[in-house]
Amino acid sequence: EAQVTQNPRYLITVTGKKLTVTCSQNMNHEYMSWYRQDPGLGLRQIYYSMNVEVTDKGDVPEGYKVSRKEKRNFPLILESPSPNQTSLYFCASSPYGTGGETQYFGPGTRLLVL
Amino acid sequence: RKEVEQDPGPFNVPEGATVAFNCTYSNSASQSFFWYRQDCRKEPKLLMSVYSSGNEDGRFTAQLNRASQYISLLIRDSKLSDSATYLCVVTAFKAAGNKLTFGGGTRVLVKP
Repeated sequence: EAQVTQNPRYLITVTGKKLTVTCSQNMNHEYMSWYRQDPGLGLRQIYYSMNVEVTDKGDVPEGYKVSRKEKRNFPLILESPSPNQTSLYFCASSPYGTGGETQYFGPGTRLLVL
Repeated sequence: RKEVEQDPGPFNVPEGATVAFNCTYSNSASQSFFWYRQDCRKEPKLLMSVYSSGNEDGRFTAQLNRASQYISLLIRDSKLSDSATYLCVVTAFKAAGNKLTFGGGTRVLVKP
């Protein structure tokens, strides 16, 4: 089944404890991206990648890191999480490097930083 | 001013009625436009792309007005299952790949 998977789906952590949220797609898509969704602010793009080893900042990259060492994986790293990073996170992929076509979203990761 | 703006609603719609709402964008260089549907904080799913000439998919019609910089979505013969949040998405070209900007979403509640 073609899909985007994220792990973990739910995470409670404490301020400053490094964490990684994994994202994997099995559709051989070139473009992958991370979003956070907050009430009243909608979905905001954190980082995106048009291909392996090519990443760029979205609208809200502060406090996050990403890497794209393999085409299928695009992990999101929070080196020192803070309470303002409590949010619902979505990973997404699309077929071509431009990202201007249909985005396929993962199921989301709910993060609570205490 | 936000790059992409939507009326948050909710739009309370009687079953069978027609509802329409817009999404305005500020970047005149925007290239691609989409409507996504999101149910109750689940993942967004593509509803339809928006083409310059306008396009229709069953009960859904999307329009693009580049001069006034907005896109619209019209839902005819509303069903209870149409209750959801509708997100507009606008893309703009960057060297490292298109940047996607989402609107805040318009909530639609279809009632019997």
